[in-house]
Amino acid sequence: GAVVSQHPSRVICKSGTSVKIECRSLDFQATTMFWYRQFPKKSLMLMATSNEGSKATYEQGVEKDKFLINHASLTLSTLTVTSAHPEDSSFYICSATISYGYTFGSGTRLTVV
Amino acid sequence: DQQVKQNSPSLSVQEGRISILNCDYTNSMFDYFLWYKKYPAEGPTFLISISSIKDKNEDGRFTVFLNKSAKHLSLHIVPSQPGDSAVYFCAASVSHNTDKLIFGTGTRLQVFP
Repeated sequence: GAVVSQHPSRVICKSGTSVKIECRSLDFQATTMFWYRQFPKKSLMLMATSNEGSKATYEQGVEKDKFLINHASLTLSTLTVTSAHPEDSSFYICSATISYGYTFGSGTRLTVV
Repeated sequence: DQQVKQNSPSLSVQEGRISILNCDYTNSMFDYFLWYKKYPAEGPTFLISISSIKDKNEDGRFTVFLNKSAKHLSLHIVPSQPGDSAVYFCAASVSHNTDKLIFGTGTRLQVFP
C-alpha cells in the first residue's frame, strides 16, 4: 500500500519549453507532498512542500515562478518546470507523508537540450 | 547549510563483513531519523528508522544507532551482501511523518565478494 505513481519517468525537452511532472497517490490521500531534486552524485535537495488546496512553500533559493507546484486534489500533485534550461536537467522526486513515515515516487529524469 | 552530513562519500566492504555508515546532524530539533537505499534513477527505498527517544533500533541485518549528545547516527549492516551495494542516505525530520525530510549527502557502499 501507500504507492505514489510518478510520471513521466524520463523526459527530454528543448530549452525554453515547459515540462509537467505528475505524482499521484494511488491508494491513499496525500495531504502533503514534498518535491526534491537530485543532481548527479549529490544529495536529494528539498525544493518545496505542497499542501492540498493551498500554495506551496518553497525552500530558500528555489524560484517559485520557475518551478510551479499545484496540489489541487488529495491524490495529485504536479511540478511544472517552466522555460526549462539545461541547468534544470536533474532527477526530480516527489514524496508523500503516510501514517508510518514517507513514501516516494520513482523519480523523473529531466534532460533539457 | 548542510544540516545532515555523511562524511564518507564511499565505503567498500567484503561480503559477510559488517558495513558501518555514519551520519551527523546539526539541528537539535530533529527527532526522527531514517535510512534509505537508493539506486540511480530510482526513488529511495526505506530501510529503517529511529525516534529520538531510542538509541537503537534493529530490523534483520540492519541496525541503527543514535547518539543524541553527539548528534550522530550510524547504520550497521551485517552480514553485508553484494546486493547491498547502492547509495545510502540518512534523513532527518523535526516531526515524524508530518515534517519535511532533510537528506544527508549519501555514502556509496560497495560490497565485493
